[in-house]
Amino acid sequence: AQSVTQLDSQVPVFEEAPVELRCNYSSSVSVYLFWYVQYPNQGLQLLLKYLSGSTLVKGINGFEAEFNKSQTSFHLRKPSVHISDTAEYFCAVGDTGGFKTIFGAGTRLFVKA
Amino acid sequence: DADVTQTPRNRITKTGKRIMLECSQTKGHDRMYWYRQDPGLGLRLIYYSFDVKDINKGEISDGYSVSRQAQAKFSLSLESAIPNQTALYFCATMGASGSYETQYFGPGTRLLVL
Repeated sequence: AQSVTQLDSQVPVFEEAPVELRCNYSSSVSVYLFWYVQYPNQGLQLLLKYLSGSTLVKGINGFEAEFNKSQTSFHLRKPSVHISDTAEYFCAVGDTGGFKTIFGAGTRLFVKA
Repeated sequence: DADVTQTPRNRITKTGKRIMLECSQTKGHDRMYWYRQDPGLGLRLIYYSFDVKDINKGEISDGYSVSRQAQAKFSLSLESAIPNQTALYFCATMGASGSYETQYFGPGTRLLVL
């Protein structure tokens, strides 16, 4: 069975500092990997996704993630965060057979001035 | 206008009451999903549907039922609400082009069961 572990429940960071949100997954088959963001009082929206090809994936708002098959990781990074990046971030793995998505527990990013 | 809408946005109900949460989409997607979000648990899948005649249980379907009235409408019902069903509920859609695609989420329904 597939599963997703987000290693940090909360990440506080100062504005303009770099940030990394960590995600590990388990799967016995090829995976599709996603990062979604949830701003306060809103639904989730896609930040970026890895389906195949280049292991470095660039997304919206300056975020990027790297797929590492040997470490079964898909960490999200941004070189310089803004106050507006304060949100909850969810790593997810796609079930290639059933078109279902398994979500991690989420990481709450706090960006401080 | 939003592609995926949910009604109501907020609901307070009492234990034992039957309630329905509704989801509508204008994306023309065949696949629709219902999730609940609880703090520290992420999103968990309740039910999903790949077309009007295809409805499937997710990981936490007990206490819930669904109805796919049309391609664009997917409703979630709590037949007899209980306090531990207090949560944030999301509807989502996905296209069916033959490969795995992005999910599109509604704004959520915040449900409180007293």
